[in-house]
Amino acid sequence: GQNIDQPTEMTATEGAIVQINCTYQTSGFNGLFWYQQHAGEAPTFLSYNVLDGLEEKGRFSSFLSRSKGYSYLLLKELQMKDSASYLCAVTDSNYQLIWGAGTKLIIKP
Amino acid sequence: IAGITQAPTSQILAAGRRMTLRCTQDMRHNAMYWYRQDLGLGLRLIHYSNTAGTTGKGEVPDGYSVSRANTDDFPLTLASAVPSQTSVYFCASSPTGGDTGELFFGEGSRLTVL
Repeated sequence: GQNIDQPTEMTATEGAIVQINCTYQTSGFNGLFWYQQHAGEAPTFLSYNVLDGLEEKGRFSSFLSRSKGYSYLLLKELQMKDSASYLCAVTDSNYQLIWGAGTKLIIKP
Repeated sequence: IAGITQAPTSQILAAGRRMTLRCTQDMRHNAMYWYRQDLGLGLRLIHYSNTAGTTGKGEVPDGYSVSRANTDDFPLTLASAVPSQTSVYFCASSPTGGDTGELFFGEGSRLTVL
């Protein structure tokens, strides 16, 4: 079956760096997305990776290794507003989007 | 402000009742989607539409129906609600179908079926 694995919850300190991992087993691969979702709100797009390597966008970076079925989202200079769930999603060979359950990130002062 | 509007925001419904969740977008996106989100599970696709006049079944379509009469509207109907349909429902759109682009989500509709 198709599966996306990410940690359920992580805790980090304001101003620090945190890495949220995502591993996937899907039938084919056509891209990986990261979305941010604050409690009670809609998911919002953060990043998209289709080739191996690191994509940097301000304080957020996303890395992909297709051979390892692995991605991570790196958040630098953490702010309290970064407290949210981070959703990993993969587009498979049929262009179906498979979602992970999300990682709840708690930022402490 | 451009985006996706869902209604109602929240609803409590008796089992067996019929319910329609409304979704309207003003971005002229071709593709629209309905997801449900439950604690501990990833977003699950209920139904989708790649363009006006066409619809398709997602991962969990049973008990739900959709229509796409025009580009802007994509209502989701529960013909006879059951407690297992208690969830948060998100409507989303993307410029093109095929799940290759960024999704834009509505604010969600929280549905409780008693």
